[in-house]
This record gives sequence, C-alpha cells and structure tokens, in this order.
Amino acid sequence: DADVTQTPRNRITKTGKRIMLECSQTKGHDRMYWYRQDPGLGLRLIYYSFDVKDINKGEISDGYSVSRQAQAKFSLSLESAIPNQTALYFCATSDGSLSYEQYFGPGTRLTVT
Amino acid sequence: QKEVEQNSGPLSVPEGAIASLNCTYSDRGSQSFFWYRQYSGKSPELIMFIYSNGDKEDGRFTAQLNKASQYVSLLIRDSQPSDSATYLCAAKSLYNTDKLIFGTGTRLQVFP
Repeated sequence: DADVTQTPRNRITKTGKRIMLECSQTKGHDRMYWYRQDPGLGLRLIYYSFDVKDINKGEISDGYSVSRQAQAKFSLSLESAIPNQTALYFCATSDGSLSYEQYFGPGTRLTVT
Repeated sequence: QKEVEQNSGPLSVPEGAIASLNCTYSDRGSQSFFWYRQYSGKSPELIMFIYSNGDKEDGRFTAQLNKASQYVSLLIRDSQPSDSATYLCAAKSLYNTDKLIFGTGTRLQVFP
C-alpha cells in the first residue's frame, strides 16, 4: 500500500464550487505539506503543518484553506473554485530529519471549468 | 528573482553520455540541497541530497555543491532512456528549516 495517498486522483469542477482534496499518510510523519504544480512554475507551497495545532501559510495560500484532522490526515479546500486553480496538487510528508526527504503522494489533477 | 533557478531545457543527451543538470540559488542561508526526479504525470521522488561542499556519489548519480558560487549540479553517468524525466532542484534554508524551495525543473531527454 502507498505510504501517502490522495483522493480524488482526478476532479473536474465548476467555477464557484467548493471542493476538498484529501491526503492520508501511514509514514508516521509529523510534517505535511500541500503543493500545486503548474507548467513552467514548478512546485509552489500552499500550506504546511507540523501537527494538528500548527498550520502555516505557504507562498500561495490565498483562495485555499486546510484542515489537519489527525497526524495522518491533511485536507486542502478550495472554498470557491476558480479556473486559475486548475493544476496538479501534491501532498507531501516529512519527518524533519537532516535528510529532510519529502515523500509525495500521487497527486490530484484538478480542472476548474 | 526566484530563489532557486534551473534551465527548463530540454537537455538532450545520447544514451551512454553524461548528463549535467545545473541549479543556482540566491539565499546564502541555504543549508542543504535536494535533487528530485519527476516522470511526466507522476510525483517527485528524491534522488540525492547534499549539504557539504564537494561531490557526493550514489551509483550513476553525482551531486556537486559549491556554496561560494551558490551552485548545485547533478551528473548522471551512462545516461539511459529511462532517465528521461524532469529533474527538480530544491533548497532548505538554515533560517527556515521547515520548507523546501523548489526550482522549476529541467527536462532531460535521453535518446537511444
């Protein structure tokens, strides 16, 4: 079984709809991250969390919110989706060690029409 | 100015050649550096990390770090078509150890 899972894997939604992307991990890591990836812009950090009580904004948090329901679950919400939020979204986890490897989920391809 | 910069490519090399991927960074507080490989439509996966000046080798891969020049590179020896992917460089700051800053990636094409 995959260590970091994301649901849904693909989603098409309409402008103005609320949508939630979910991430679960079995690695036991405290740190979880949400990124979006756009062609030519690389990976950009939306939000990150160190535990259920610690949520931090990344570089592009406007239009997004998150919830850390448990150590293993971190959800990303788009309260009112807009077309320029069409992107590939990745969840990642890390144990914060020196190697600082971030383990990525398989991604969610979101299209807002 | 983006904090971590990479040439978007594509970098095309013949099978068996050495592929050289380069990355520069602007934050002198950057402490450690990471190379991720990402196949099209897939998630990034870590190849190597480096935090000391010099070279670090792992199989066909060698990471090189020059902190004075703020330069990181990844060499892939005996390149294979299966190495064709986008390579992302990332940096972790000494002053903000909580985040990785990613470059936009270099697309590598290895042709038979």
